[in-house]
Amino acid sequence: AQTVTQSQPEMSVQEAETVTLSCTYDTSESNYYLFWYKQPPSRQMILVIRQEAYKQQNATENRFSVNFQKAAKSFSLKISDSQLGDTAMYFCAFMKAGTASKLTFGTGTRLQVTL
Amino acid sequence: DAGVIQSPRHEVTEMGQEVTLRCKPISGHNSLFWYRQTMMRGLELLIYFNNNVPIDDSGMPEDRFSAKMPNASFSTLKIQPSEPRDSAVYFCASSLRQGEGNTIYFGEGSWLTVV
Repeated sequence: AQTVTQSQPEMSVQEAETVTLSCTYDTSESNYYLFWYKQPPSRQMILVIRQEAYKQQNATENRFSVNFQKAAKSFSLKISDSQLGDTAMYFCAFMKAGTASKLTFGTGTRLQVTL
Repeated sequence: DAGVIQSPRHEVTEMGQEVTLRCKPISGHNSLFWYRQTMMRGLELLIYFNNNVPIDDSGMPEDRFSAKMPNASFSTLKIQPSEPRDSAVYFCASSLRQGEGNTIYFGEGSWLTVV
């Protein structure tokens, strides 16, 4: 079974600064996908970024980028130029390839962006 | 494009009552998922369907829970009888299973309180 660990329950960053959220996972699979989802106070789950394990290049979406270290089974999320609207819970998630696409989530990191 | 649509958004019910949560997946998507989120257990997959067929219901807590997908555009999650420990946010999500690792999109959730 796959496990996803987010070791930072809470983090805080000042507006316009950069913050990195950590995620590690455990799997024996070689082919898989990794995701970061954002959950603002509205509770909606919003996809932030996605990474295919077979790609060496780190995924980037505007101010959001990942540092994917396959050998270390690490998948951190970097948020640059933090904005107040980035305040949310962030969940790291794993999906095994070759299956019917179900996600395994970490426990989440609560990020607070302050003025 | 309309996203995943869930109803009701909020429901408060008395213990012992039947609860039905509804979901309309994104048009064209062929996989549908029901997740539950609680403080204690985080995000848990309850059941998922591919092409309207239940694939894995191992996450369904007990016989009080049942899910159906009578057609490609509608699914229900029913709890009968409901108990206070069922209080949670229930998410429906969908994806287009075309190959592997396809992104799963979530609805806004149904917040259930059983008193």
